[in-house]
Amino acid sequence: NAGVTQTPKFRILKIGQSMTLQCTQDMNHNYMYWYRQDPGMGLKLIYYSVGAGITDKGEVPNGYNVSRSTTEDFPLRLELAAPSQTSVYFCASSYSGQINNEQFFGPGTRLTVL
Amino acid sequence: QKEVEQDPGPLSVPEGAIVSLNCTYSNSAFQYFMWYRQYSRKGPELLMYTYSSGNKEDGRFTAQVDKSSKYISLFIRDSQPSDSATYLCAMSEGSSNTGKLIFGQGTTLQVKP
Repeated sequence: NAGVTQTPKFRILKIGQSMTLQCTQDMNHNYMYWYRQDPGMGLKLIYYSVGAGITDKGEVPNGYNVSRSTTEDFPLRLELAAPSQTSVYFCASSYSGQINNEQFFGPGTRLTVL
Repeated sequence: QKEVEQDPGPLSVPEGAIVSLNCTYSNSAFQYFMWYRQYSRKGPELLMYTYSSGNKEDGRFTAQVDKSSKYISLFIRDSQPSDSATYLCAMSEGSSNTGKLIFGQGTTLQVKP
């Protein structure tokens, strides 16, 4: 089991460019999450999905889009990159939405927008 | 006021010390409380999970929840250099079945040999 994998590990974007952050899990988890982590700010939920074809907004969805066409994959799309989107992005997954279900995190993608 | 407040530190202690990490929160509906550990340039991993008030012990780690004070703590006994990491508290109402968590800012801990 690879768990949760994320690509790329690092990326530098210019303002206005777009990109997709990839997330894949091989644990057959139904629930998947995207967080961003800024220095000293903890983790903020961007979007989450409770199953293939179902997504919903988290705390900070503006400037991002997601899709969930398969159980395994949950890509995060940045359409018009802005400096405020400079952050570390973590994808996570859990078997269910019950709160005692552990969320497993990927290694993160470090994104810089210049 | 942030929903969850956590002193970002950094906190530096000598090896063998007892460490106390704390979070306060404002939402009285929170029922589930978690501590995640995050090593440098890695994703967070679940350390401990507690439901409602009370204590939970796991080896050198003890989690405490005081819902009347809206205060949770993580104690680390006999701290080791390998405990050097950022510790994030997280909590949830648990009513929506979405698994959504609210995280604190994280406290960076350094244990010096």
